[in-house]
Amino acid sequence: DAGVTQSPTHLIKTRGQHVTLRCSPISGHKSVSWYQQVLGQGPQFIFQYYEKEERGRGNFPDRFSARQFPNYSSELNVNALLLGDSALYLCASSGRPSGYNEQFFGPGTRLTVL
Amino acid sequence: AQRVTQPEKLLSVFKGAPVELKCNYSYSGSPELFWYVQYSRQRLQLLLRHISRESIKGFTADLNKGETSFHLKKPFAQEEDSAMYYCALNTNAGGTSYGKLTFGQGTILTVHP
Repeated sequence: DAGVTQSPTHLIKTRGQHVTLRCSPISGHKSVSWYQQVLGQGPQFIFQYYEKEERGRGNFPDRFSARQFPNYSSELNVNALLLGDSALYLCASSGRPSGYNEQFFGPGTRLTVL
Repeated sequence: AQRVTQPEKLLSVFKGAPVELKCNYSYSGSPELFWYVQYSRQRLQLLLRHISRESIKGFTADLNKGETSFHLKKPFAQEEDSAMYYCALNTNAGGTSYGKLTFGQGTILTVHP
């Protein structure tokens, strides 16, 4: 298993555009979480999905949305991009929805908004 | 609201010296704490979790609920320990938490030869 995979690796967009980031969890994992990591800071929780349902949402505006597909892969969508959305977006998968379980992180997608 | 504080952004030690990376948390419920590590050009990975009470790569961490701390310690640092270390809190409010991690800002550990 290649672990959690994310695409694309890098992305450059301009203000006002829309972006879609993709994540494939480890085979057998049903939970996917998304995090935003701004340079110099720790990752910040955006969403968690389990069994295609949103199970948690962080303090992010409605411009951020996500979904999970029947194969447990996930997309993160950001509308009306702002310069401040420039960050590394991390996806993590785990085998169970609740705590006491390890989250496995992908390599991230580096988004630059110009 | 939950919060994780790592007061040191940078920490430098010499090989063979003891190292302690500090982590304090704020959470009113029953916390689950982790240390994650990111080596150069690698992805974020779990180092250890408090509930396992394990020692990984010589590192240990004890949860002190009285001081709300979860400091990471190693008696003899090695050059390969140089990395970014994040303390993370998983809130588990009545068993309904779904894997939301709150991270600290991270500490860059540099071990000099």
